[in-house]
Amino acid sequence: SQQGEEDPQALSIQEGENATMNCSYKTSINNLQWYRQNSGRGLVHLILIRSNEREKHSGRLRVTLDTSKKSSSLLITASRAADTASYFCATQSGAGSYQLTFGKGTKLSVIP
Amino acid sequence: NAGVTQTPKFRVLKTGQSMTLLCAQDMNHEYMYWYRQDPGMGLRLIHYSVGEGTTAKGEVPDGYNVSRLKKQNFLLGLESAAPSQTSVYFCASRDDRGFTDTQYFGPGTRLTVL
Repeated sequence: SQQGEEDPQALSIQEGENATMNCSYKTSINNLQWYRQNSGRGLVHLILIRSNEREKHSGRLRVTLDTSKKSSSLLITASRAADTASYFCATQSGAGSYQLTFGKGTKLSVIP
Repeated sequence: NAGVTQTPKFRVLKTGQSMTLLCAQDMNHEYMYWYRQDPGMGLRLIHYSVGEGTTAKGEVPDGYNVSRLKKQNFLLGLESAAPSQTSVYFCASRDDRGFTDTQYFGPGTRLTVL
């Protein structure tokens, strides 16, 4: 079953604007990760935030985590056409196998 | 350093045929995973391995078998393919050194079962 659910399902913005995607999950987690998938390609890891962290930055990416609301957001600032892709959140819970449970993704289109 | 590679990239099977998908990683990772991705869906875990000689079931294991005879390879087998197994299959390995906890994905295998 899907643990994470992204919102919105699709997002279209102009180049230079900021893009915000949200992820909600159901059970307690050890960490939450965001991945990008370009059309027809494999997933690429973007950023990881642990359950005891509230915010992390990486370049133009900003991730927040609110464990009380079981939600996370990914902000991409000053978007570029090359950011056009699907973005997935994935949660890791429990111990041992380090399985990730993925959401259905947000499809981002950045219009030049 | 090739990362994670998958063979083949595309395959068309008839119902009832069998095939094996090969995943190879050159990063010396212990953990490896097989996922399937269907349209409009995220990835769902089929099977995984926490080290050479080990395998375990994921969320959707039925109709698939796996083997991890060598640390660098993880094979996914379909014994009798069904149209419901039409999907894109991704292999991943996990970097368990330090606190990165990152999964590295292969480029995928697009499988169609007629």
